[in-house]
Amino acid sequence: DGGITQSPKYLFRKEGQNVTLSCEQNLNHDAMYWYRQDPGQGLRLIYYSQIVNDFQKGDIAEGYSVSREKKESFPLTVTSAQKNPTAFYLCASSEAGSSYNEQFFGPGTRLTVL
Amino acid sequence: QQPVQSPQAVILREGEDAVINCSSSKALYSVHWYRQKHGEAPIFLMILLKGGEQKGHDKISASFNEKKQQSSLYLTASQLSYSGTYFCGTEMYSGGGADGLTFGKGTHLIIQP
Repeated sequence: DGGITQSPKYLFRKEGQNVTLSCEQNLNHDAMYWYRQDPGQGLRLIYYSQIVNDFQKGDIAEGYSVSREKKESFPLTVTSAQKNPTAFYLCASSEAGSSYNEQFFGPGTRLTVL
Repeated sequence: QQPVQSPQAVILREGEDAVINCSSSKALYSVHWYRQKHGEAPIFLMILLKGGEQKGHDKISASFNEKKQQSSLYLTASQLSYSGTYFCGTEMYSGGGADGLTFGKGTHLIIQP
């Protein structure tokens, strides 16, 4: 079955440590996205990529980094520079090039900084 | 510019109707609607484009008022499965959706038996 997988589901990290969240899709989608979700805040865009080897900052990119070396993979690294990293992180993908395409979301990773 | 959703929360009895609104101060090209259950991934409900084109599930209805930059999601004869948080996501220009959507803060819907 086609879909998006994120791992791990729960992640704990100590302050000062970098951590990488995995996102893989087998939908053959060109575009991939990372959103952060905090209680009462909705989804906020961190980074997005419309094509392999290219990505752009979203609204809250500070303290995060990404790579897009393969079409199906878009990992997100939460660096120690992110001041408040505890949140629910959602990865999504869509066919690119049109406003007419819905985004498909993964199950999310809940990151807790101890 | 984050769209504003209203109401923030609503509680219904099964079978009742509800309307969820999404407003923007900027001109919009499209509005996307998603529903999320606690701890789960958002799922797609509807896309409404400037000019009237729509795409979505048959049992969901919505409108897009281009003059008011407002979209409304209509939930009729609500079922227990409709419970969750509803988000609208907006884009301001054609193709902007590929740059990621700007989501509202969500509307919490609780359906009681």
